[in-house]
Amino acid sequence: DAKTTQPPSMDCAEGRAANLPCNHSTISGNEYVYWYRQIHSQGPQYIIHGLKNNETNEMASLIITEDRKSSTLILPHATLRDTAVYYCNVSPPGAVYGGATNKLIFGTGTLLAVQP
Amino acid sequence: ETGVTQSPTHLIKTRGQQVTLRCSSQSGHNTVSWYQQALGQGPQFIFQYYREEENGRGNFPPRFSGLQFPNYSSELNVNALELDDSALYLCASSPYKGETQYFGPGTRLLVL
Repeated sequence: DAKTTQPPSMDCAEGRAANLPCNHSTISGNEYVYWYRQIHSQGPQYIIHGLKNNETNEMASLIITEDRKSSTLILPHATLRDTAVYYCNVSPPGAVYGGATNKLIFGTGTLLAVQP
Repeated sequence: ETGVTQSPTHLIKTRGQQVTLRCSSQSGHNTVSWYQQALGQGPQFIFQYYREEENGRGNFPPRFSGLQFPNYSSELNVNALELDDSALYLCASSPYKGETQYFGPGTRLLVL
């Protein structure tokens, strides 16, 4: 199973961009990078995922390096409500492998504290 | 569109008892995964069900078992509860195995 490494905590000023890094140097060719966040005591919330191209949605942008060994999640204008633990995961596409299970492997994540 | 729901929200049991947790998947989703999250840790994969059959299992003992029903709702059963089973239990559903998983709010289990 591919492992991910994230800094344990980061601070960001409200209104500024938050850039959260993740290292996934053992990622396999068909594994996707997924980002989730978890606000205290709630279930993880899906943010974004990608394979090799950069992705953007209404919540965030995902930048994946060309060698796919690391990625950065960007929250363009952080608000206090973005304070949460952010998890980076790699997951095989079960549909591609037929019976493979696309289990998410969570580390301890990055606690992002947005400061007023 | 209704999201993933779980019941109960909180539960207290004593060591040795059995517990059943329930999950209703998001409309149109046929795959359900269960995760255990101990305090201060990331969620750990327990197992996944696709169309009523187990489709992968994590490193959990056999006393953790599950079911998926024809309407794709699911149950997690834990027998012979131990103190270390105290955790937040999360259910996630996806439209198909291999696709993005969406989590419910979780059930917090305390074993005394």
